[in-house]
Amino acid sequence: QLQLQESGPGLVKPSETLSLTCTVSGGSISSSDYYWGWIRQPPGKGLEWIAMYFSGSTYYNVSLKSRVTISIDTSKNQFSLNLNSVTATDTAVYYCARQQYSGTYFFDYWGQGTLVTVSS
Amino acid sequence: DIQMTQSPSSLSASVGDRVAITCRASQSISNYLNWYQQKPGKAPKLLISAASNLQSGVPSSFSGSGFGTDFTLTISSLQPDDFATYYCQQSYTTSYTFGQGTKLEI
Repeated sequence: QLQLQESGPGLVKPSETLSLTCTVSGGSISSSDYYWGWIRQPPGKGLEWIAMYFSGSTYYNVSLKSRVTISIDTSKNQFSLNLNSVTATDTAVYYCARQQYSGTYFFDYWGQGTLVTVSS
Repeated sequence: DIQMTQSPSSLSASVGDRVAITCRASQSISNYLNWYQQKPGKAPKLLISAASNLQSGVPSSFSGSGFGTDFTLTISSLQPDDFATYYCQQSYTTSYTFGQGTKLEI
């Protein structure tokens, strides 16, 4: 059974960089069949797609593109998110997820989520 | 970005009721529409992909329909476990967007 687990600091200061890692177990992140992505959810609000990695290519939410980087480490079976110059509006639960294509693209496996608070 | 608008934003219903949640896209997205269920403190769970494709393990009381800009998630007979928040998501463009959510309450 595939499992994804987010890790990283729960508190980040304004203007600093938010860095999260997603560790994948029960499957290989190197598979060319799947995409790997990040989605966030501010407290009490809806879902916002952030970024995605697939087969050497990266895709970003246009509204966040200037501040976001997604990267992959196949040796550790992990992928990571960096979001720089954070403000209080970046406070959210951050989810990592696997995406696949079967008729459409969809997120079929999700991590449990990790709350990141931006505050001094 | 493609805007996804769900209605209603919240819905009160009872066990055994039939309910429908609609999702409208700001432009045609073919059938690139997915539905997720989220319970408090949990990650979203995929229910339906490609507008009408029920995922394995999801009760047959759930169904999805629609094409183009208008989509519907229907629950034919509400069970206690169905009270949650539901989101639609378009994957027609790589800048994926979600609806604002529909909270289904007793």
